[in-house]
Amino acid sequence: DAKTTQPTSMDCAEGRAANLPCNHSTISGNEYVYWYRQIHSQGPQYIIHGLKNNETNEMASLIITEDRKSSTLILPHATLRDTAVYYCIVSLTGNQFYFGTGTSLTVIP
Amino acid sequence: SAVISQKPSRDICQRGTSLTIQCQVDSQVTMMFWYRQQPGQSLTLIATANQGSEATYESGFVIDKFPISRPNLTFSTLTVSNMSPEDSSIYLCSVELPKVGVRYEQYFGPGTRLTVT
Repeated sequence: DAKTTQPTSMDCAEGRAANLPCNHSTISGNEYVYWYRQIHSQGPQYIIHGLKNNETNEMASLIITEDRKSSTLILPHATLRDTAVYYCIVSLTGNQFYFGTGTSLTVIP
Repeated sequence: SAVISQKPSRDICQRGTSLTIQCQVDSQVTMMFWYRQQPGQSLTLIATANQGSEATYESGFVIDKFPISRPNLTFSTLTVSNMSPEDSSIYLCSVELPKVGVRYEQYFGPGTRLTVT
């Protein structure tokens, strides 16, 4: 079963930062937090992952709270192409994923 | 990275029949996974397929309904047997690849959209 909860939907103005929250209060010490997104009619795409420290790559930043019970994915300058469903996944193995409901992000022109 | 193809991309089938979905990856991978995405829903893991061993099914999925083959390190098939309209979904395969600095990254295929009438 999914171990994460996310808001169902969010809107973000184009060019603004999109901050997508995720709660994972039952996360265990060795489990990673992964973020994937699914653009309509495509397979999910990897964005970023982390264990304890904040992480940044060319796509996004991941902020994990000190107690690791929640995290936030940040898209620094959202574009229309970032409109998608974003999934926060907690996984020990990094492969067998139990997806939650995700957040449907709509970037508004 | 990995390039994954699935065949067919979509199909419309009659209830009671079976459909075999193929998943081909352009590099050798140890683990392949099959997911189902029902209309308007999130993805659900069906099973894990390792080459040379029986697939491992998640709760609620059984081999008789979703037999899986994994004949080599680049290919797998999922069969949806004795289909009913409730099987109408997108079926996706995925693979795990190690990636420098990332630990593992999972790549998903484009999916097979199945409609059962």
